[in-house]
Amino acid sequence: DGGITQSPKYLFRKEGQNVTLSCEQNLNHDAMYWYRQDPGQGLRLIYYSQIVNDFQKGDIAEGYSVSREKKESFPLTVTSAQKNPTAFYLCASSIGGFGAEAFFGQGTRLTVV
Amino acid sequence: DQQVKQNSPSLSVQEGRISILNCDYTNSMFDYFLWYKKYPAEGPTFLISISSIKDKNEDGRFTVFLNKSAKHLSLHIVPSQPGDSAVYFCAARFDNYGQNFVFGPGTRLSVLP
Repeated sequence: DGGITQSPKYLFRKEGQNVTLSCEQNLNHDAMYWYRQDPGQGLRLIYYSQIVNDFQKGDIAEGYSVSREKKESFPLTVTSAQKNPTAFYLCASSIGGFGAEAFFGQGTRLTVV
Repeated sequence: DQQVKQNSPSLSVQEGRISILNCDYTNSMFDYFLWYKKYPAEGPTFLISISSIKDKNEDGRFTVFLNKSAKHLSLHIVPSQPGDSAVYFCAARFDNYGQNFVFGPGTRLSVLP
């Protein structure tokens, strides 16, 4: 079954620690995205990547870092510099071309304790 | 500055009636629009899309209308069912390779039995 997988589903982090959220897709999609959702708010773009070894900052990239060493994988690191990291994080992928839609993973809920 | 707006945070509709969800955008260069449905603690799922060269697209109970001059689109669900109760996100993109998706804040639809 093709799809996009995020892990873990729930993650707890102590203040001051970095944490990495995993995102893997087997859809052969070129483009991958990370969004953040806060209660009562929409999806805000953190980073996106249209091709391996290349990525661009989204609207709220501060305190986050990403890598795209493989087409299938786009991990997101939430660093200690992120002031309000508690949120629901969503990874998505798309073919990146015309008429493309984004396919989403099930999300990771990160809680800072 | 929100480029995609959904001015109704919530909407309640009786089962069997029509649900109309609205979305406005500010950037006239957007040329591809999508609607997503999201349940709590899950990733959004794609519902329907429309290209700017069309003014209507239909898929079963879901129809999306686009009014480019007003920079407005709407999603009609007929007939509404209790399982349609979810948050609906409108999204827009430039239909070129390498462009990301811009999401609205969402509208919570409640379909009452």
